[in-house]
This record gives sequence, structure tokens and C-alpha cells, in this order.
Amino acid sequence: EVQLVESGGGLVQPGGSLRLSCAASGFTFSGYWMTWVRQAPGKGLEWVASMKQDGSDKYYVDSVKGRFTISRDNAKNSLYLQMNSLRVEDTAVYHCARGWAPIYWGQGTLVTVSS
Amino acid sequence: DIVMTQTPLSLSVTPGQPASISCKSSQSLLHSDGKTYLYWYLLKPGQPPQLLIYELFNRVSGVPDRFSGSGSGTDFTLKISRVEAEDVGVYYCMQRMQLPLTFGGGTKVEIK
Repeated sequence: EVQLVESGGGLVQPGGSLRLSCAASGFTFSGYWMTWVRQAPGKGLEWVASMKQDGSDKYYVDSVKGRFTISRDNAKNSLYLQMNSLRVEDTAVYHCARGWAPIYWGQGTLVTVSS
Repeated sequence: DIVMTQTPLSLSVTPGQPASISCKSSQSLLHSDGKTYLYWYLLKPGQPPQLLIYELFNRVSGVPDRFSGSGSGTDFTLKISRVEAEDVGVYYCMQRMQLPLTFGGGTKVEIK
């Protein structure tokens, strides 16, 4: 059974940093692009970033470029999102997901940026 | 960026009746490979998004056949032939034609 479990969310002040993790199981992690998607409270879905199987290609939405870094450790079946210079508007539930138009998603982890 | 516009914002449907959601893209989603990179998701409170339809009209395994996707180019429709109570939630269209991936604003479906 495919499972994706996010962790690392929490409350952080504007300008602060957080690192999200996503533990994958039930499939060959190294064989798939992986993606982060977020949903702000009361808002719609927003694609954040995606990363190629071997880490050689990464793509980001403009609003997080230069602040967020997607990475992965295929040996640990894990996906990460390093979030720096956080803004109030980054407040959202962050989901990791398998692929570009994902079937499989994690439940998400809540990131709250507030003073 | 490709802008995805969904209508209506919300829909209240009597169980057993049909429902239809429209999604329009600002650019064609028809790729040179012949596929149309349009997807439909359902989001229920407290749950991750569920992919219903991929590449315009393909139903994901396990999705009831009362859900169907259609359209072409820039105009797309998700139809539910007979709405059931479990279909409540917010429906989103999404394009994978070009980065950044973009979603429609969502259509909330409620039961009367």
C-alpha cells in the first residue's frame, strides 16, 4: 500500500525557517517524480515544487523560488522541503504527493507563519 | 501562467440528479502527443485530494462511472450523472500542460 506521511510543520514567525519531511513507503520511491502542493486556509490548491527521480531537475512556483528548496534521499525513501524566509502567506497545509498529477497524496502537515 | 477558471463557485444538488462543473483554461491543454493534460480532483474536509479524472476523460481505477470528463482545447466539463451524498466536497480542475501547474478556484458541491 502506497503511503506518504508528512512531518515537520508547526508555528513559525515571519522570516523563520522550517524543514518538512515526507516518508514514503509501498512503492519504489526512486522511480517517481515527487511533488509538494499546499492549501492555504479557506483557499484552493497551489502547486509548490516538483523534483525528478534522481534529483537532477527541480521546479518551483515563482512565489517560493529562492526561499524554498526541494530535495530527496532515495536511500531513505524521503522527500524534503526546506522553507526559509517564511511569510504569512506561506501558511498552509503542505502535502507531498507522488508524480506530477498525483493519485497518491499524504494527509499533509500544517505550517503556520505568524508573529 | 495558464489560468484555470471554474464555474459555478458552488452547486447544491438533489441526490440522484445530475451535476456539471465547467473549467476553462487560458491556453489550450492539447499537447502535440495528442493528450489533453486536464485533471479533476475532489477535496473533502480532512482528507488529501482524490484524483478522479486524468488526461481529460480517463477515470482513475475505483472512481464510480457516474463521474465523466469531457471537453477539448480550453473548455472542459466534469459531469456527475447522479449525485450521491458521498460526492460532497470541493472539485478542482488542474492543468499539467505547462509549468507552473495550476488549479481552478474550486467548485463546492453540496447536497440539498
